[in-house]
Amino acid sequence: GAVVSQHPSRVICKSGTSVKIECRSLDFQATTMFWYRQFPKKSLMLMATSNEGSKATYEQGVEKDKFLINHASLTLSTLTVTSAHPEDSSFYICSAVKEPRSPLHFGNGTRLTVT
Amino acid sequence: AQKITQTQPGMFVQEKEAVTLDCTYDTSDPSYGLFWYKQPSSGEMIFLIYQGSYDQQNATEGRYSLNFQKARKSANLVISASQLGDSAMYFCAMRVYNTDKLIFGTGTRLQVFP
Repeated sequence: GAVVSQHPSRVICKSGTSVKIECRSLDFQATTMFWYRQFPKKSLMLMATSNEGSKATYEQGVEKDKFLINHASLTLSTLTVTSAHPEDSSFYICSAVKEPRSPLHFGNGTRLTVT
Repeated sequence: AQKITQTQPGMFVQEKEAVTLDCTYDTSDPSYGLFWYKQPSSGEMIFLIYQGSYDQQNATEGRYSLNFQKARKSANLVISASQLGDSAMYFCAMRVYNTDKLIFGTGTRLQVFP
């Protein structure tokens, strides 16, 4: 089956630093990747849609300068949380699709804690 | 706009009993898919079952079945013969194919007791 690897699984950083989260499709090429954020005991909120070779499309209310998304290749998308603050602490999950309308495959998520 | 609603924040069920988790949705797009995912405390999203908007029959996958009522815009998940390992968060999600985005409901926490 299709595997999506997300790294790191947990990260703790100090306020003001930047953190990069990687999402890799291991055995397929992903034309599109999606980034979600989940607050404790809440739903997954779509942050942005990332297509290889083009700029990410952000959902309303998501700061594009705060959450930088780069989809540099068909197997890798990165989310960088810039100048992180405690309110950015959350669970971030990526998902990838091989082609439009094909099944989504999720990474195992990254738990970010900003101190 | 698309919307998914799960009105049950928490549900309890006894082991070996069946349980229904409710989900209603709203979209004006005729082509969409409905999904259920399980999220244990470890956080990963586990795909359970899928129903396409044009599917005539209700989807089934082992102990999971989806009660799809298109006119009512509901897609309830039925888990038969509940097991202790079924305790988790359950999310209903909708994917509208003109955007390909997957949108989630607020989730239902299911607890199975002996």
